[in-house]
Amino acid sequence: NAGVTQTPKFRVLKTGQSMTLLCAQDMNHEYMYWYRQDPGMGLRLIHYSVGEGTTAKGEVPDGYNVSRLKKQNFLLGLESAAPSQTSVYFCASRPGSSYEQYFGPGTRLTVT
Amino acid sequence: AQKITQTQPGMFVQEKEAVTLDCTYDTSDPSYGLFWYKQPSSGEMIFLIYQGSYDQQNATEGRYSLNFQKARKSANLVISASQLGDSAMYFCAMREGITNSGYALNFGKGTSLLVTP
Repeated sequence: NAGVTQTPKFRVLKTGQSMTLLCAQDMNHEYMYWYRQDPGMGLRLIHYSVGEGTTAKGEVPDGYNVSRLKKQNFLLGLESAAPSQTSVYFCASRPGSSYEQYFGPGTRLTVT
Repeated sequence: AQKITQTQPGMFVQEKEAVTLDCTYDTSDPSYGLFWYKQPSSGEMIFLIYQGSYDQQNATEGRYSLNFQKARKSANLVISASQLGDSAMYFCAMREGITNSGYALNFGKGTSLLVTP
């Protein structure tokens, strides 16, 4: 039981490049979330999903897109990376029966 | 408006002493929950403790307890008998009942705790 995994762990992008961050969970959780963490800040919600095939915007969605084609996977895409997207990205999931969120290990992204 | 406020950017405590990390929250929702997460230098988010707004007793998990004062809208984390391994960032977070974010969490900015020998 791997829990929540994130791929990749680290990435450096040039401004304007695109990439996709993958979050996978093997706990059959309905809800999945993408957060970003910037220095001196708590986590802020980018997008979330309440089930397979559904996604919605969070607090800071601009510049990101998401997809949840399979229940276990939640993808975060950056179409044209900007230096302001340099951050640590966390994925989390939770079952419908509990409020506790299970976090992945994070992806450190640097955009130069 | 900030929903979660952690006013202590950094705290020091001596090993084996108890320490309280402050958290105040802002919500008009009668149904909500407060979480505390620990983030060590390795970066992962570790769940510590949860308190629901309707829970009658303060939550406890081992050396962690949550001092929940609903009227004051505070949910302070108490760590008893501090250990060197408790040195980390600690985040208070809240989920609300009426939400359009799938019960996502609102996080405070965190408190950095350093446990000294």
